[in-house]
Amino acid sequence: QLQLQESGPGLVKPSETLSLTCTVSGGSIRSSNYYWGWIRQPPGKGLEWIGSIHYSGSTYYNPSLKSRVTISVDTSKNQFSLRLSSVTAADTAVYYCARRGDGYNWYYWGQGTLVTVSS
Amino acid sequence: QSALTQPPSVSGSPGQSVTISCTGTSSDVGNYNRVSWYQQPPGTAPKLMIYEVSNRPSGVPDRFSGSKSGNTASLTISGLQAEDEADYYCSLYTGSSTWVFGGGTRLTVL
Repeated sequence: QLQLQESGPGLVKPSETLSLTCTVSGGSIRSSNYYWGWIRQPPGKGLEWIGSIHYSGSTYYNPSLKSRVTISVDTSKNQFSLRLSSVTAADTAVYYCARRGDGYNWYYWGQGTLVTVSS
Repeated sequence: QSALTQPPSVSGSPGQSVTISCTGTSSDVGNYNRVSWYQQPPGTAPKLMIYEVSNRPSGVPDRFSGSKSGNTASLTISGLQAEDEADYYCSLYTGSSTWVFGGGTRLTVL
């Protein structure tokens, strides 16, 4: 069974860069033609798609975050990563990594990790 | 990014049916059958319940069904159970290869 696990600092200072990694186990990040993604949820609020990546390196980003987001993949470590620059308190959220299923959906999800932006 | 509109809350008694709507525009929901629905109990990660408007993943009870009419997609839960109490989100894969989520609907089982 495929499993995803987010990791990274739980506290980031304003104006700095948020960095998270998603480690994939139970399957290869190179398998089939799936996209991997990052989705976040501010406390008490709804879900927001951040971006997606294919193991080939092809990426798509949320237009509202595109200028600050970079998603990359490391196939040798079976991981993909998120970098969000110039963070503010508005970037405080639970960050989920996920993988698309067959079709247009997000089928596999990590447990999520809370990142707080505060000095 | 266009927004998908959901009612903030719905409620129903055990055994009843409830429907949650997800309204977009003719350019998104009305133009694509790429709507999915997610269930999120408090403190947990979202779980896929319906994809491509009306398809159920393996393991999802057939009490959950999806449909679409015009610019509005809907999730219907029949035979409501206490365990169905959760937040529900719709999502759309757009023609620009991006994703948008609805604002979420809290389902309360009375």
